[in-house]
Amino acid sequence: DADVTQTPRNRITKTGKRIMLECSQTKGHDRMYWYRQDPGLGLRLIYYSFDVKDINKGEISDGYSVSRQAQAKFSLSLESAIPNQTALYFCATSARGGGTEAFFGQGTRLTVV
Amino acid sequence: GENVEQHPSTLSVQEGDSAVIKCTYSDSASNYFPWYKQELGKRPQLIIDIRSNVGEKKDQRIAVTLNKTAKHFSLHITETQPEDSAVYFCAASNNNFNKFYFGSGTKLNVKP
Repeated sequence: DADVTQTPRNRITKTGKRIMLECSQTKGHDRMYWYRQDPGLGLRLIYYSFDVKDINKGEISDGYSVSRQAQAKFSLSLESAIPNQTALYFCATSARGGGTEAFFGQGTRLTVV
Repeated sequence: GENVEQHPSTLSVQEGDSAVIKCTYSDSASNYFPWYKQELGKRPQLIIDIRSNVGEKKDQRIAVTLNKTAKHFSLHITETQPEDSAVYFCAASNNNFNKFYFGSGTKLNVKP
């Protein structure tokens, strides 16, 4: 089945450590997104990419960076993790063009201690 | 940028009753409005969507209405069942950028 896969699914890390969350997709979609989910705040956009050479900041990009290694891969990095980055992170993809559904990965639960 | 507001944040209904969740948006350029359901511990999944050239769309027990003039759209679930219990998110996007702006979510609890 074509899908969106995130690794790791769960991660506990210490304050100040660098961590990378990875996302790969087999849907053939051009567009990829990283969202953060916190209780009561919904899904907030961190970064998005419309193709390999196009990377854009979202609403809450501070403290994060991304890399689009290929059409199918989009990684999110926390250069120096802090406790308020503890959250559930989702990668999503969508096809080119407007009015198309976003497909989500299974999520990565990150805890920064 | 777009701002999507969603109400209520929690909703508790008796099995068989109807549930309504409302969202407003700010950007008149938004023209695609999906609704996602997120069950506990799972990923959000699309349950229904509507485009700005349509005022209402139905799929069995769920329906979505859109009022472009007032910039609001609503999700209606009829004959609710316990398996409808989940968090529901509305979202808005437009053709130019296809960024999805999400509401803050509604936790629906359907009591047997």
